[in-house]
Amino acid sequence: KNQVEQSPQSLIILEGKNCTLQCNYTVSPFSNLRWYKQDTGRGPVSLTIMTFSENTKSNGRYTATLDADTKQSSLHITASQLSDSASYICVVNPSGNTPLVFGKGTRLSVIA
Amino acid sequence: GAVVSQHPSRVICKSGTSVKIECRSLDFQATTMFWYRQFPKQSLMLMATSNEGSKATYEQGVEKDKFLINHASLTLSTLTVTSAHPEDSSFYICSALVSGWTEAFFGQGTRLTVV
Repeated sequence: KNQVEQSPQSLIILEGKNCTLQCNYTVSPFSNLRWYKQDTGRGPVSLTIMTFSENTKSNGRYTATLDADTKQSSLHITASQLSDSASYICVVNPSGNTPLVFGKGTRLSVIA
Repeated sequence: GAVVSQHPSRVICKSGTSVKIECRSLDFQATTMFWYRQFPKQSLMLMATSNEGSKATYEQGVEKDKFLINHASLTLSTLTVTSAHPEDSSFYICSALVSGWTEAFFGQGTRLTVV
């Protein structure tokens, strides 16, 4: 069964600190993996997309990694800001005509 | 990037009435759109897959007669919640796939409150 598991479920950090969110998946076959940021009451916004051949990709203060062999991905947030408080969702896109597989997300709270 | 417009963003309706939610791809053709539901503090749950010109495919446990999906064109899909009840109150989001199945873009979501 295709599954995406994220950890931790929730996280509280001080403003300015770094943090790393984890995503493990069992989806096969695999096309790509996305990290989304979802603010409360809003639709998800894509942060990065990782294909099979990519190991690291950065988008500003966000850096995503992918290990296709172990089926693990991480999202590292540097110098966190209060506006980073949101849910971060890992989404895997299987190949072919199948829906996306969503993780349950990590709820990040950045406090002053 | 491609834009998906979802309307309305918020709606409050009385129990027993029907509500229609629209999902439009503004600058691309989406042969497939997905409809998701999200309850508070939970992840997005797929409700149905909507293919242009054909009947939607519903996930197990989702009532097709209650959640009517129409995908009559390559740029518009609608979700109608019929005879809404308070337990249908949720956040509904659509996602449109660009051809090639590698890109998925989300609408802004619709907060439905049934009173």
